Amino acid sequence: QSVQTQPPSASGTPGQRVTMSCSGGSSNIGSNTVNWYQHLPGTAPKLLIYSNNQRPSGVPDRFSGSKSGTSASLAISGLQSEDEADYYCAVWDDSLNGYVFGTGTKVAVL
Amino acid sequence: EVQVVESGGGLVQPGGSLRLSCAASGFTFSSHDMSWVRQAPGKGLEWVSGISHNGGRTYNADSVKGRFTISRDNSKNTLDLQMNSVRAEDTAVYYCAKMVSRSRDGVDVWGQGTTVTVSS
Repeated sequence: QSVQTQPPSASGTPGQRVTMSCSGGSSNIGSNTVNWYQHLPGTAPKLLIYSNNQRPSGVPDRFSGSKSGTSASLAISGLQSEDEADYYCAVWDDSLNGYVFGTGTKVAVL
Repeated sequence: EVQVVESGGGLVQPGGSLRLSCAASGFTFSSHDMSWVRQAPGKGLEWVSGISHNGGRTYNADSVKGRFTISRDNSKNTLDLQMNSVRAEDTAVYYCAKMVSRSRDGVDVWGQGTTVTVSS
């Protein structure tokens, strides 16, 4: 089940900046840190952002995350063709006592 | 290299059982919570089950409560998912997932996945 809502799609041309939102509630985003994952079909998902805004080593600084209240967002600057993928926010939910993924946003590079 | 590798997927009839396994290497397995995450065809990622680093606590999504059981063997660095009373909607790619530390910290390493198909 998904309790975080994401826009189903986002798009941009190469070099543009794309942002996507993740809207939750007090029991999840409002209380815990948010991670973001990139997923290409047929491959293992990849951790892009952890603890709201931290990048693991190897993740380009074109990717950035932020959180405010019960919402979070992911931004991709300098969009590249290889950024075409599905992006998911994820967070622990204290009410559900489980880790919950958002509905996902499909990014297209035009 | 930190790695988790799933096995055990396959075709199972509705109402049947299947056991998935995950072999971990390259990190101190007993220090990390672990999870199973799945993706059904055409759907998004869904967290299924989680287990604390010492096996003392388990967590399950409502969709699998009472049917799936997660377990681990820290002496063998393995994670299992026992799937009982499977349904068509359990058809998915199942990923073994290493948590950053505790379950609420999220996943930092994923396996390549093993496919489960529930069909008669």
